[in-house]
Amino acid sequence: SAVISQKPSRDICQRGTSLTIQCQVDSQVTMMFWYRQQPGQSLTLIATANQGSEATYESGFVIDKFPISRPNLTFSTLTVSNMSPEDSSIYLCSGRYQGDGTEAFFGQGTRLTVV
Amino acid sequence: GQQVMQIPQYQHVQEGEDFTTYCNSSTTLSNIQWYKQRPGGHPVFLIQLVKSGEVKKQKRLTFQFGEAKKNSSLHITATQTTDVGTYFCAGRRGAQKLVFGQGTRLTINP
Repeated sequence: SAVISQKPSRDICQRGTSLTIQCQVDSQVTMMFWYRQQPGQSLTLIATANQGSEATYESGFVIDKFPISRPNLTFSTLTVSNMSPEDSSIYLCSGRYQGDGTEAFFGQGTRLTVV
Repeated sequence: GQQVMQIPQYQHVQEGEDFTTYCNSSTTLSNIQWYKQRPGGHPVFLIQLVKSGEVKKQKRLTFQFGEAKKNSSLHITATQTTDVGTYFCAGRRGAQKLVFGQGTRLTINP
């Protein structure tokens, strides 16, 4: 599987500000995803990052709050906008290759704390 | 929408005891995947099951996919402290996104 470098690994941010998380994959991947994981909880899919077009968001997540870019097949960013303490969580990017059933591989995660 | 339920939420065992976690989907799956997440780490792929009734083994880990392709289990024989972590199942129907179960957090008393 590919290796995803995600940064920052953690950050503490003031409410009302925005944070952009970056993920760089060491090979071209067909699909990239962004997840949120509360400590001790499962992974919730935020959106599918589409190369060269707008991301596809899951119910409960909107582009104004979580704008996503994917300019090419190896890079994507997620911005958490106008942050509030409720946005404190772990954010994970994930990628997988073409085809049904291929494994997903994950970045190391970004632990975000909003104060 | 599609849901994947996983039980138990927590499991604490003595080292050397066995451990099992179960997944159940509300819909038939095309495949199911299992991931392990160590404390403070990210999910790491373990295995994928595709065929009805499929059983796969990785050393002390045994994975099963139900006949109806709606449920799955992961069994660890004779747990070791390196098995500590949270185990997630994730189901997919067709080309749709992965839906993760709630995870089972395994802790081990050495």
